[in-house]
Amino acid sequence: DGGITQSPKYLFRKEGQNVTLSCEQNLNHDAMYWYRQDPGQGLRLIYYSQIVNDFQKGDIAEGYSVSREKKESFPLTVTSAQKNPTAFYLCASSILSTYSNQPQHFGDGTRLSIL
Amino acid sequence: ILNVEQSPQSLHVQEGDSTNFTCSFPSSNFYALHWYRWETAKSPEALFVMTLNGDEKKKGRISATLNTKEGYSYLYIKGSQPEDSATYLCASPSSGAGNNRKLIWGLGTSLAVNP
Repeated sequence: DGGITQSPKYLFRKEGQNVTLSCEQNLNHDAMYWYRQDPGQGLRLIYYSQIVNDFQKGDIAEGYSVSREKKESFPLTVTSAQKNPTAFYLCASSILSTYSNQPQHFGDGTRLSIL
Repeated sequence: ILNVEQSPQSLHVQEGDSTNFTCSFPSSNFYALHWYRWETAKSPEALFVMTLNGDEKKKGRISATLNTKEGYSYLYIKGSQPEDSATYLCASPSSGAGNNRKLIWGLGTSLAVNP
């Protein structure tokens, strides 16, 4: 079945450590997204990519980095510069559309905590 | 900045009750309105993407209407069942240029259906 796979489900980060969250999709979607969810807040966009080797900052990109070397993969690195990384992270993908009128498909998420 | 607001924040109904909730968005520069269902321990699932004023979409017992002139959408659930318990999210694209229209998400309506 086509879908999005995020791993790991749970991740713990030590102080000063970079960690990478994996996101893979087999839906042949051009667009991919990373969101962060915190209690009491809506989904906030970290980074998005519309094509291989290109990506754009979202609303809260500071302390994060991404790459898009393959269409299927869009890993997110949470760097040590992100001072409050504890959150639930969701990856999504969609068919690329000028008016954002294509539904987004989501993975199951990764919950990141600080040790 | 585009604000997407949802009400109520939470809702408790009895099995068999019909219910509805609201998503409001600025009516200027409208492109699309997305509805998603997010069940606990699962990934968000797209329900509808609506683009035309007056449009009504239906999926089983769930339907949605759209009024782009006044900037609101209603989601209706007929004869609620316990499996309808979830958070229902709406989102609308920002007014950025071209393919850079990011989805702006509401905080969601949390529905609990008691058997």
